[in-house]
Amino acid sequence: DTGVSQNPRHKITKRGQNVTFRCDPISEHNRLYWYRQTLGQGPEFLTYFQNEAQLEKSRLLSDRFSAERPKGSFSTLEIQRTEQGDSAMYLCASSYGQFPFFGPGTRLTVL
Amino acid sequence: KNEVEQSPQNLTAQEGEFITINCSYSVGISALHWLQQHPGGGIVSLFMLSSGKKKHGRLIATINIQEKHSSLHITASHPRDSAVYICAVFTNFGNEKLTFGTGTRLTIIP
Repeated sequence: DTGVSQNPRHKITKRGQNVTFRCDPISEHNRLYWYRQTLGQGPEFLTYFQNEAQLEKSRLLSDRFSAERPKGSFSTLEIQRTEQGDSAMYLCASSYGQFPFFGPGTRLTVL
Repeated sequence: KNEVEQSPQNLTAQEGEFITINCSYSVGISALHWLQQHPGGGIVSLFMLSSGKKKHGRLIATINIQEKHSSLHITASHPRDSAVYICAVFTNFGNEKLTFGTGTRLTIIP
């Protein structure tokens, strides 16, 4: 499978716990995006990498959120001290140029 | 005000009807995408437009750069077209990023 993959696909956690999600982009893609989508809404931009450089972070990304792309390949998104409002689908997309390919998402439920 | 606005938010139609979904944006763009999202979350890009019109099967997408407006049309709609359709734009200032509209939930009734 040469598409964008995300792990885990589902995560249930208790409030206050830390969670980490992983995105593996298509191998030659230099751009990688993280989005958050809540029910009934379109995806909201969280952050964006070009190679290993994090070029932009949304105001939505509070201090509890951090993302890395250490070698310009896979990326991780960590949420510390999760809150119920963090429950959402976290989507990753990668592109080379302006045609993005999306991963299947990680659905986070915070109890 | 969102940078990308879609209308309608919800649309229910009978099988066979001609469907139009609209997208307006307020920022400078380098490209516009129409995306389809089925229940379960998977997103697929249907079209990328920077000018004019594109057609793929029963789907037609148009864009008017001067008016900052795009439309997605579905001819001879079918229940399998039921999905959320999302307009997204690559902004062309600073670092390019993909900004999404809120989506249009389309339901086609047999």
